[in-house]
Order: sequence, then C-alpha cells, then structure tokens
Amino acid sequence: GAVVSQHPSRVICKSGTSVKIECRSLDFQATTMFWYRQFPKKSLMLMATSNEGSKATYEQGVEKDKFLINHASLTLSTLTVTSAHPEDSSFYICSARSHEVAHNEQFFGPGTRLTVL
Amino acid sequence: GQNIDQPTEMTATEGAIVQINCTYQTSGFNGLFWYQQHAGEAPTFLSYNVLDGLEEKGRFSSFLSRSKGYSYLLLKELQMKDSASYLCAVRSPETDKLIFGTGTRLQVFP
Repeated sequence: GAVVSQHPSRVICKSGTSVKIECRSLDFQATTMFWYRQFPKKSLMLMATSNEGSKATYEQGVEKDKFLINHASLTLSTLTVTSAHPEDSSFYICSARSHEVAHNEQFFGPGTRLTVL
Repeated sequence: GQNIDQPTEMTATEGAIVQINCTYQTSGFNGLFWYQQHAGEAPTFLSYNVLDGLEEKGRFSSFLSRSKGYSYLLLKELQMKDSASYLCAVRSPETDKLIFGTGTRLQVFP
C-alpha cells in the first residue's frame, strides 16, 4: 500500500510556541490531505481538509488561525499549531488520498504526539 | 446529523471468533471502511464495503447492509496481536470525507 510519513513523531514544546508538523506522501501524489486529532481512547476527529494549491477547509469549531494548514505540493502538507497551549496536547494524524487509488482510499501517517507544557 | 455507533470495548480469547458491529445514520453513503489502530499508531486499512454482502480477506471479513445501516467486522482465529482498536468509518458522498465511529477496543486474552 501507499506510504504516508509524518514528522516529527513526537514533540514537546513550551506554552506559547508554535509547532509545525509535516505530512508527506512518499510514493504517490496526494490530491487531498486530511488532518485529524485524536484524544486518548477516542476516535479520530477531522480538523481540516486540504487540496493542493488551495486553501484548507476547516471543520466546524476548528480555529483556522490556530491551526494553519499549507498544502504546497502534491506530496507535502504541513500543520502549524500556533501559540500552543496545554489543551492542544493531542495525537495529530494526517492522511492522504489519491484518485488514482482504488476506492479513493485514505492512507494514514504514523501520527505526531504533541505535548505542550 | 451523522451518527456512527460501535461498542466501546470487547474482549475475546485467543483462537476464538469475534464480531464487531457498527450501525450508522448518515445523510448519505458512499462506502464503509474498517481500520485497525494499535495504541499510539496510525490506523491501517482492513476492508471496504460499498455494496451489500460479505467481503472476505483472510482472517478478517466485513459485512454490509445498507438498508439497515449496519456493518460488522468478523475476526477469526484471534491472535494476541489483534488486540487493538477497530474503527468503522462511513464516507460521505457530498464531501468525500470519512466520518469515524467511536471505535471499539478489542482485548484478546490467552
């Protein structure tokens, strides 16, 4: 199957700083990338959808100025958590989709565990 | 509204069979996915159903009934490594997004 990587896998930062998470599709071109957030023992909550070269679409309740998403190329999307606070601590997972793949299947990255002190 | 329900937790014994149910009420339907997720890791694709019936893939099978808004994932010959969360997700035809259920944590005991 297709491979999606995320970097970093873990990050610890101080309150007030910004953190950037990268999501890359390694062996396919991702026309769409999704960013999810997952709290412990909970399911995935979609934060935003990004298409290459256009602005991201945010889900209701997700602050676009807080979670900046850039989908600069068909293989890279970044999520920047600006002025992070302890309540932003979570597991962030990206996924990528290509219309070339059967069922428009989404492939998930390994996730980034963010801890804000 | 969108609603996808799964049991929160299940337990089973190594070598046994377990069925994880998923019921959904969504404004549209364009396929149902099952994913496996081990703690601290990303979900991995298990199965996809868009038509009614059973899809079999080795030890795992998935069933769909669109008229009942119901799916199940069947795991046979359970192994300890099958201990994980299993996520049911429905794809919306309007947005093409996946709507995830609450997930079922399965624990397999020796």
